[in-house]
Amino acid sequence: EAGVTQFPSHSVIEKGQTVTLRCDPISGHDNLYWYRRVMGKEIKFLLHFVKESKQDESGMPNNRFLAERTGGTYSTLKVQPAELEDSGVYFCASSPVTGVSLNTEAFFGQGTRLTVV
Amino acid sequence: QKEVEQDPGPLSVPEGAIVSLNCTYSNSAFQYFMWYRQYSRKGPELLMYTYSSGNKEDGRFTAQVDKSSKYISLFIRDSQPSDSATYLCASSYSSASKIIFGSGTRLSIRP
Repeated sequence: EAGVTQFPSHSVIEKGQTVTLRCDPISGHDNLYWYRRVMGKEIKFLLHFVKESKQDESGMPNNRFLAERTGGTYSTLKVQPAELEDSGVYFCASSPVTGVSLNTEAFFGQGTRLTVV
Repeated sequence: QKEVEQDPGPLSVPEGAIVSLNCTYSNSAFQYFMWYRQYSRKGPELLMYTYSSGNKEDGRFTAQVDKSSKYISLFIRDSQPSDSATYLCASSYSSASKIIFGSGTRLSIRP
């Protein structure tokens, strides 16, 4: 069974450009999460989808970040325009809709390393 | 103040040693406590989780939570070079809420 897949694995863009990250969750997982780790800091929550609906977007840093999950399958995270402080590793995770503990059944992707220069 | 505090290390021990990794947290509302292992260029992988206080054992790994002191621990017995990784402690309020991570401790097991 395929795990959580993220594209691209690494992206280098100039300040002011737009970048779109993609996450393909494990098939059948309705919960999809985005997290990021900026240099020297801990991994921080960005937002949580249940199917195509945003359940919690309290961690989104500002309106330059737009997350979508059309059709409740894969998700994209667009940064427009990118700033230097957006550099870091962006992780996606997914978990099934049922279970004793949803977030402890969350599987993480390998991450997308974003570098803004 | 960070909600979950973790010593970043690095920590280096000889093969076969017992490793003790620790975290503290500030929010008494946390109910779930997790330990993740992360290899270089990979995503976090859940090792163990505990609901509320108590101990949980899985093979060479033991997780402990003391809610009275807000202390989270992970013990690794008979450590192996393959255990070399970054270990992240984490907490959450409920089964479906966001995960709050510590900064991670880099562990190296010397052969």
